[in-house]
Amino acid sequence: EAQVTQNPRYLITVTGKKLTVTCSQNMNHEYMSWYRQDPGLGLRQIYYSMNVEVTDKGDVPEGYKVSRKEKRNFPLILESPSPNQTSLYFCASSSSGQMASGYGYTFGSGTRLTVV
Amino acid sequence: SQQGEEDPQALSIQEGENATMNCSYKTSINNLQWYRQNSGRGLVHLILIRSNEREKHSGRLRVTLDTSKKSSSLLITASRAADTASYFCATDAGGDMRFGAGTRLTVKP
Repeated sequence: EAQVTQNPRYLITVTGKKLTVTCSQNMNHEYMSWYRQDPGLGLRQIYYSMNVEVTDKGDVPEGYKVSRKEKRNFPLILESPSPNQTSLYFCASSSSGQMASGYGYTFGSGTRLTVV
Repeated sequence: SQQGEEDPQALSIQEGENATMNCSYKTSINNLQWYRQNSGRGLVHLILIRSNEREKHSGRLRVTLDTSKKSSSLLITASRAADTASYFCATDAGGDMRFGAGTRLTVKP
């Protein structure tokens, strides 16, 4: 089944403890992206990647890191999490061919992160 | 910053009625997409309309795009209780995609 898989689904952590949220897609998509969703603010882009070894900042990159060493994986790293990073996080992927054919982005199921 | 802004923020209708949601954006785009999100779940792609298209249909969904006004609308006809969800427009300007804050649709049985 074609999908974007995020792990974990839920995570409670303490301030300052480094964590990684994994994202993997099995559709050979070039493009991957991370978003955070907060009430009243919709989805805001954190980082995106057009292809392997190519990453760019989105609207809210502060406090986050990403890497794209292989096509299928795009982990989100919080080096020193803070309470304002408590949010619902989504990973998404697409290919230019998918966009051209009108199918848009495929989203993961989300990771609910709480930083205390 | 957000690119798309949906209007209204919330909409409540009776089953069988039509629901119309609007989206405005600020910059030139390659395409505009609409997504649906059930509470706390991942977003599901509904429909994509390219900048050179004016209208598109998919089942009970009808999307229009007016690039001169930088606006789009999503019409759901003959709504069902199962259509209750949040709906987001997203604009693709090449390289990244920006979402609005969404419209919360409630369809009462």
